[in-house]
Amino acid sequence: SQTIHQWPATLVQPVGSPLSLECTVEGTSNPNLYWYRQAAGRGLQLLFYSVGIGQISSEVPQNLSASRPQDRQFILSSKKLLLSDSGFYLCAWKRIGNTIYFGEGSWLTVV
Amino acid sequence: AQTVTQSQPEMSVQEAETVTLSCTYDTSENNYYLFWYKQPPSRQMILVIRQEAYKQQNATENRFSVNFQKAAKSFSLKISDSQLGDTAMYFCAFMKHVSSGGSNYKLTFGKGTLLTVNP
Repeated sequence: SQTIHQWPATLVQPVGSPLSLECTVEGTSNPNLYWYRQAAGRGLQLLFYSVGIGQISSEVPQNLSASRPQDRQFILSSKKLLLSDSGFYLCAWKRIGNTIYFGEGSWLTVV
Repeated sequence: AQTVTQSQPEMSVQEAETVTLSCTYDTSENNYYLFWYKQPPSRQMILVIRQEAYKQQNATENRFSVNFQKAAKSFSLKISDSQLGDTAMYFCAFMKHVSSGGSNYKLTFGKGTLLTVNP
């Protein structure tokens, strides 16, 4: 079956520390992958999307970066976190039929 | 750029009654997809219903149905026989193909409507 997983589910990090959120998809190949952020309990903002290995498009210039080292792996990173990076991060993928499904989400609190 | 507007920040409905959530969007595209997602307190984003713009027939999924008015760029969600478990934030979303020669699609969300189902 086709599934998406992301981890960690919850993360508390000090300002200036690095970040790595990981997302993997199972049961498919060459999926479109996305990272969204949801701040303050409202609206989702598209951060990055990828159509293939090593292909990353950024929607919003910011302190974050993304990488896709393998076909079904999508990583969200930061070298130095800011307080404003706090939020709920969602990984998503596009299945055949042009429908996007989301992972469980990761809560990031920067303190 | 595509925009999605949900004009009702919050709504409430009594259990077993029907409620309609509004959504309008702005695009110059002719081919696109529209979605309603539900986000319960667990924060998991769950697909509720999907509509393809080239299909005139309104999508339905059990108690959930949409009223898709392409000319008016309107895409409302009707929830029938509301249940306590329907309490959640509901997001309307628009998706279109963004580049030729590939399969890249972008999903744009509205700001959401918080629906509370009261017993």
